[in-house]
Amino acid sequence: AQSVSQHNHHVILSEAASLELGCNYSYGGTVNLFWYVQYPGQHLQLLLKYFSGDPLVKGIKGFEAEFIKSKFSFNLRKPSVQWSDTAEYFCAVNLIYTGFQKLVFGTGTRLLVSP
Amino acid sequence: EPEVTQTPSHQVTQMGQEVILRCVPISNHLYFYWYRQILGQKVEFLVSFYNNEISEKSEIFDDQFSVERPDGSNFTLKIRSTKLEDSAMYFCASSEALDRGNTGELFFGEGSRLTVL
Repeated sequence: AQSVSQHNHHVILSEAASLELGCNYSYGGTVNLFWYVQYPGQHLQLLLKYFSGDPLVKGIKGFEAEFIKSKFSFNLRKPSVQWSDTAEYFCAVNLIYTGFQKLVFGTGTRLLVSP
Repeated sequence: EPEVTQTPSHQVTQMGQEVILRCVPISNHLYFYWYRQILGQKVEFLVSFYNNEISEKSEIFDDQFSVERPDGSNFTLKIRSTKLEDSAMYFCASSEALDRGNTGELFFGEGSRLTVL
């Protein structure tokens, strides 16, 4: 079955540390890739997305992600985190089939940034 | 910018009661979805809807659940007899068709929080 894996469930960092959150998926067909952020008590917000072209995509708030097709990965990075980045981060993979699509979420990574 | 809107933002209900969650998708979108997020857990796919019928549903979407597009704008999720474990945030989403060069990106509403007592 198709799945999306986020290996880090909880990450604790100090401000200014660099961040990398892993995301891997298992599906051999066409995909679109997303990272969403959910701040405490709030709804999902789109951080960045990849459809085609340059595999390094930049999103809001200084986040970027790199699609490595051979590794089925779409890791999220930020060079220097801030306390306000404390949130839960969800990787999502849109599986493209003939005539329909299905967006599958990873289990999420809870990031705590200490000031 | 067009957006997906959901009502109510929060609903509290007694176990066994029927609940209807409403969504207004983006007007030119053709695919509609419901997702669920139990507190502290991941976002789970419930159902997708296209051309007035369900195109795919997950094992969570059992006979207690139904979806409907009663008019040209609303997309509803009905839970017939709520259980405690139905307490969750329910997200509606919509997307354009995958053809005509569209990306098929899903646009999410802000969610409806359902609390079953």
